[in-house]
Amino acid sequence: SAVISQKPSRDICQRGTSLTIQCQVDSQVTMMFWYRQQPGQSLTLIATANQGSEATYESGFVIDKFPISRPNLTFSTLTVSNMSPEDSSIYLCSVLENTEAFFGQGTRLTVV
Amino acid sequence: EDQVTQSPEALRLQEGESSSLNCSYTVSGLRGLFWYRQDPGKGPEFLFTLYSAGEEKEKERLKATLTKKESFLHITAPKPEDSATYLCAVHARSNDYKLSFGAGTTVTVRA
Repeated sequence: SAVISQKPSRDICQRGTSLTIQCQVDSQVTMMFWYRQQPGQSLTLIATANQGSEATYESGFVIDKFPISRPNLTFSTLTVSNMSPEDSSIYLCSVLENTEAFFGQGTRLTVV
Repeated sequence: EDQVTQSPEALRLQEGESSSLNCSYTVSGLRGLFWYRQDPGKGPEFLFTLYSAGEEKEKERLKATLTKKESFLHITAPKPEDSATYLCAVHARSNDYKLSFGAGTTVTVRA
């Protein structure tokens, strides 16, 4: 299975600032995904990061708030922009290998 | 819209006390059903994929089964290290890639 590394593992940020989360995969994958897990809740898909094209966002998520880059088949970034306390969550990178989804360790973000 | 409901929300077990977790789902054609284990502060760890009704998979003390409407995760003789949140997710044929997750069952096993 793919090995997924996320950085940073956690951060505490001031409201109004932005944080960029990196996701590195040890193999080339076509599709990479970004999820959010709010405290005590399950996972919600933010967007699909496509190599060579713009990310595809799910309902309720917009590019201005969560810009995504996908410069190659092994790397992606998610930026959480103009943060507010409501953005405090775990952000997870995921890849689909055959029909199975694998996740990174997550980035725990706290906005104060 | 795809729906996934897990029960119970929380489960407290004594070491060695076997039990089952339930995942009920409604999808427009099931492509696959997934079980994950999530430890606090970490990402979900893949456990099983089930594709069709009647299928069963086992890993150590865990056994997953699938029917047309639900899946069960059986924990046999659990140990404290089995304490975690167990997540169920479905992949529908109508979606190329999107998984729909349940809210999870938090299992606590006491020694």
